[in-house]
Amino acid sequence: DAKTTQPPSMDCAEGRAANLPCNHSTISGNEYVYWYRQIHSQGPQYIIHGLKNNETNEMASLIITEDRKSSTLILPHATLRDTAVYYCIVRVLGFQKLVFGTGTRLLVSP
Amino acid sequence: NAGVTQTPKFRILKIGQSMTLQCTQDMNHNYMYWYRQDPGMGLKLIYYSVGAGITDKGEVPNGYNVSRSTTEDFPLRLELAAPSQTSVYFCASSNDPYEQYFGPGTRLTVT
Repeated sequence: DAKTTQPPSMDCAEGRAANLPCNHSTISGNEYVYWYRQIHSQGPQYIIHGLKNNETNEMASLIITEDRKSSTLILPHATLRDTAVYYCIVRVLGFQKLVFGTGTRLLVSP
Repeated sequence: NAGVTQTPKFRILKIGQSMTLQCTQDMNHNYMYWYRQDPGMGLKLIYYSVGAGITDKGEVPNGYNVSRSTTEDFPLRLELAAPSQTSVYFCASSNDPYEQYFGPGTRLTVT
C-alpha cells in the first residue's frame, strides 16, 4: 500500500473552510484515496473517496492533484462538531482492511 | 437499523483472565472486521471475516480468536489477557468496497 503523510494537527475557525492535506507520492494507478474521521474516540466514520477526479458529497470535497501524488480534503464550512482526527488512506478498491496512520487532529474553534 | 453494536462498553480484566467481546450488525453485511486502537495511534486490524464460517488474520492476531457462525455476529475472544491487550476495540462491517461502518468501541483495561 502507498504510504501517506499528513500533518499531525491543524486549527480552523468555525465557519471557515478546513483544508486537510495528504501526501501519497508512491500511489499506484489502481489505488484510491479514502478519507475517514474519528470524533472523540468514537468509531471512525467514512467521509469520501476518489481515484483521480475531484469528488464532492454532502460532507466534504476531495481534490486530487493531476499527478495523484497528493490530495486535499475540504470541509467547506467547518463547525465545532468537525473537531476530529482525519485519516487519509490509500488502497485499491475492495474489501480489504483499512490501514490507519496517526492522521491529522483538526481543532475547530469558535 | 441499529448498525454495528458492541458489548460491553467498558471492561477491566485481571492478567490471565479471558473474555469475549461481542459484535453484532443488522445491515446484512458480509464483511466484518475487528480493530484495536492504542492511545494516540491509528487502528490496527486483528481479524476479519468475508462471510459466515470464513475468517482470516489481520496485522495483530496473536492472543485473540474469532468465529463467525452467523452473518450478524462476529465475537472476539481474548485468552489469557495481558497488559499489552489494554486498548480500545472496534468492530466494523461492510458490503461496499469503500465504506466500513464502525461500532462505538469497547474500552478494555488489563491489570
